[in-house]
This record gives sequence, C-alpha cells and structure tokens, in this order.
Amino acid sequence: DAGVTQSPTHLIKTRGQHVTLRCSPISGHKSVSWYQQVLGQGPQFIFQYYEKEERGRGNFPDRFSARQFPNYSSELNVNALLLGDSALYLCASSYGQETQYFGPGTRLLVL
Amino acid sequence: AQSVTQLGSHVSVSEGALVLLRCNYSSSVPPYLFWYVQYPNQGLQLLLKYTSAATLVKGINDFEAEFKKSETSFHLTKPSAHMSDAAEYFCAVSEMEYGNKLVFGAGTILRVKS
Repeated sequence: DAGVTQSPTHLIKTRGQHVTLRCSPISGHKSVSWYQQVLGQGPQFIFQYYEKEERGRGNFPDRFSARQFPNYSSELNVNALLLGDSALYLCASSYGQETQYFGPGTRLLVL
Repeated sequence: AQSVTQLGSHVSVSEGALVLLRCNYSSSVPPYLFWYVQYPNQGLQLLLKYTSAATLVKGINDFEAEFKKSETSFHLTKPSAHMSDAAEYFCAVSEMEYGNKLVFGAGTILRVKS
C-alpha cells in the first residue's frame, strides 16, 4: 500500500507570497494532520482534520489555513509568507484517533 | 498541558553498544506515547507506541521502550547499536481525550561510531 504522499517535495518562495502544500493520506485513513518542523526542532502541530472538519488547531497565525476534501486529501495554505515560515511541513494520516503515519514532507524555503 | 523533554540533544555510542535515549513527559490524563525516527531529509517513521497495554513496548529494528508512570518516563533502548541507527529520534505524547494531536520533544541525534 502507498504511504502518505506530499507535494511538492521542495519549494522556494519569496516573502509576501502565498503557498499551497498538498497531502494524500494512506488509503482508508480519514484524518489528516499538519506539522511544521523548523530546523533543529521537533515538529509543531498546525491543524488536524477528520471527515473534512477541523478538529484541532495549533498556535499558528491566521495566515495558515487548511482544508480536507471528500477524498480525504488535504491542502495547507500559507499567506503572506515570512522568512520564519521556512521549514519542513509534514503531513500525517490516521484512521481515526489512532497512530499517525507521516509523509516525507515538503521543504519550504522563503527568501 | 502536555509536554515532552528529551534529555541530551546528541548521544554518541559505539557500534554494538547499548543505546539509551531518554524521554520524560507530562500529561494530565493517561497518555499515549510514541517514538519516531527521522533520517536525513526524510519524514518521520514510527518506531513504537504505548497505548496503555503492556508497559514494555517492542518496536521495529530491536528497539524497545518502557513506560514508567511513577517516573513519567518512556526511555528508548536498543541492546546493540548498528551504524544504520544513526538518525534523529523524537519522543511524542498524545492525549486521546483531546484528539490525537502529537506533542513532540526537541529530538535526540544519535551518532554511532565504528
């Protein structure tokens, strides 16, 4: 079975731009979570979606938004990019409230 | 609020030696605990998890961890280190009563010397 997939793998943007990151969960998984991992730190929780509804939100500004589609894939959007948004963005999927399985991540560099 | 502390940002062991990576947590409810491994330029791979069953949990690649409630610890061990174990290891806690969001420690980089 295919694992969690994310696209793109790498991305370079400039300050003030907008970015959209995409995630496809493991087949049969209905929950998707997003995490931000800044270099040298552990991942930080951004959002969780279950059955297309937001179930949790971390301590991130409103520039960050996400949604989940009927096929359970998800998008993370970040507006008005700042240098500090440079990070590895990880998507994780789970069947419900169970173990989360992570994708390879999207590495975003903001110049 | 949940939190995780990983003692030692860097741990170095010789090949064949015991690996011990330390993790302490705080949680207001019985926690679920996880260890993930991250190889360079990759995502996180689940090593093992504790979900209130047996306190000694066995994972992949001969890793195991023991949940000690009295010490609020969940240390990761492996009897004999292999060069391929060199990676960054993250301990995480989840409080299922509040959804399954994971709170991670800062990570421990394991170096294995030949």
